[in-house]
Amino acid sequence: EAGVTQFPSHSVIEKGQTVTLRCDPISGHDNLYWYRRVMGKEIKFLLHFVKESKQDESGMPNNRFLAERTGGTYSTLKVQPAELEDSGVYFCASSQGLSWRATSYEQYFGPGTRLTVT
Amino acid sequence: ILNVEQSPQSLHVQEGDSTNFTCSFPSSNFYALHWYRWETAKSPEALFVMTLNGDEKKKGRISATLNTKEGYSYLYIKGSQPEDSATYLCASHYGGSQGNLIFGKGTKLSVKP
Repeated sequence: EAGVTQFPSHSVIEKGQTVTLRCDPISGHDNLYWYRRVMGKEIKFLLHFVKESKQDESGMPNNRFLAERTGGTYSTLKVQPAELEDSGVYFCASSQGLSWRATSYEQYFGPGTRLTVT
Repeated sequence: ILNVEQSPQSLHVQEGDSTNFTCSFPSSNFYALHWYRWETAKSPEALFVMTLNGDEKKKGRISATLNTKEGYSYLYIKGSQPEDSATYLCASHYGGSQGNLIFGKGTKLSVKP
């Protein structure tokens, strides 16, 4: 079974440019999460999709970030326009579902996209 | 604001040493505690997920315990090997959060041959 994949693995852009990150979750996983790790800090939650619906976007930093999950499969995260403080590693994770079974809580992570804004 | 704390921040051990790390988390409205092993440029690898007070999980030389009443978890590595070198992340998950994980900063382990 293929794991969570992310594209690109690394992106270097200039301040003011636009970048779009893509995440392909594990097939059949309804839940898709975006997280971000800024250098030296902890990984922080950005938002959560259940199928194509945004369940929780409380972690999105501001309106320069736009996430979509059309058709409930892959997801994109667009940053427009990018600022220096947006640099970091953007992780995507997916899980089967939320229930009282502990195994359903397990989130499987992709390798991340390292974004550098210069 | 919910904070997850991990200690130590980094650890250097010799091959064969046994070691342990601590994760502290708010115990109110707790659902689950996750441990991940992460090597830079790779996917964080899920090690354990625990939910009940007193849970103990084991995978090979790595084991973990959970105390939900006092809000801590320990991760143990027995007989460390160089390939155990990585950052070990813990993350907690709370009721009403719809599943988003709250991470600590991690413990970076280096095992010297």
